[in-house]
Amino acid sequence: GAGVSQSPSNKVTEKGKDVELRCDPISGHTALYWYRQSLGQGLEFLIYFQGNSAPDKSGLPSDRFSAERTGGSVSTLTIQRTQQEDSAVYLCASSPGDFQQYFGPGTRLTVT
Amino acid sequence: AQKITQTQPGMFVQEKEAVTLDCTYDTSDQSYGLFWYKQPSSGEMIFLIYQGSYDEQNATEGRYSLNFQKARKSANLVISASQLGDSAMYFCAMRTSGGYQKVTFGTGTKLQVIP
Repeated sequence: GAGVSQSPSNKVTEKGKDVELRCDPISGHTALYWYRQSLGQGLEFLIYFQGNSAPDKSGLPSDRFSAERTGGSVSTLTIQRTQQEDSAVYLCASSPGDFQQYFGPGTRLTVT
Repeated sequence: AQKITQTQPGMFVQEKEAVTLDCTYDTSDQSYGLFWYKQPSSGEMIFLIYQGSYDEQNATEGRYSLNFQKARKSANLVISASQLGDSAMYFCAMRTSGGYQKVTFGTGTKLQVIP
């Protein structure tokens, strides 16, 4: 079946602009995670959605970052007033609720 | 708070040899899971192996095995018979089972397999 998809695959934006990153999880997966991976670094947890529960936003680095998950499926990560330090690969993963996460290919964001 | 430590930023191994990638963790939770992921240069994250904190046997998946030492809080990945395609970044991660199931990743180890 289809895996996790993310769009766009690459995004170049000017400093100060807002961007939206989209994640389509695997159908039926109740959990969805967003991570950020800066060049040569590990994965930094951003936010976690589980079913209809309130999301765990403890990893969001600033109030410029927000995310929503509509209908328990598609998720959008929004970064307002982008800064150069926001440049990274943003990875989405979904999980059926057990231990395994299935990752998407990521969105490479470059802020100029 | 959960923490994963990978102390080897880079490792080399000869093709067909075995290699151990180190991972130590810190958590006060009794129930947790430990994972290893592979990230080739193409960027995708590939799940390799999982160990639950209550699992008595070390997890194995083909050429991958997880050397779980609970008292030492270590979860080292052993790759047997290394292949050139094993060259990649390897990340250790932990998820706790209580409350929000946030997953914490280590900083990774870059493995290079030498022909």
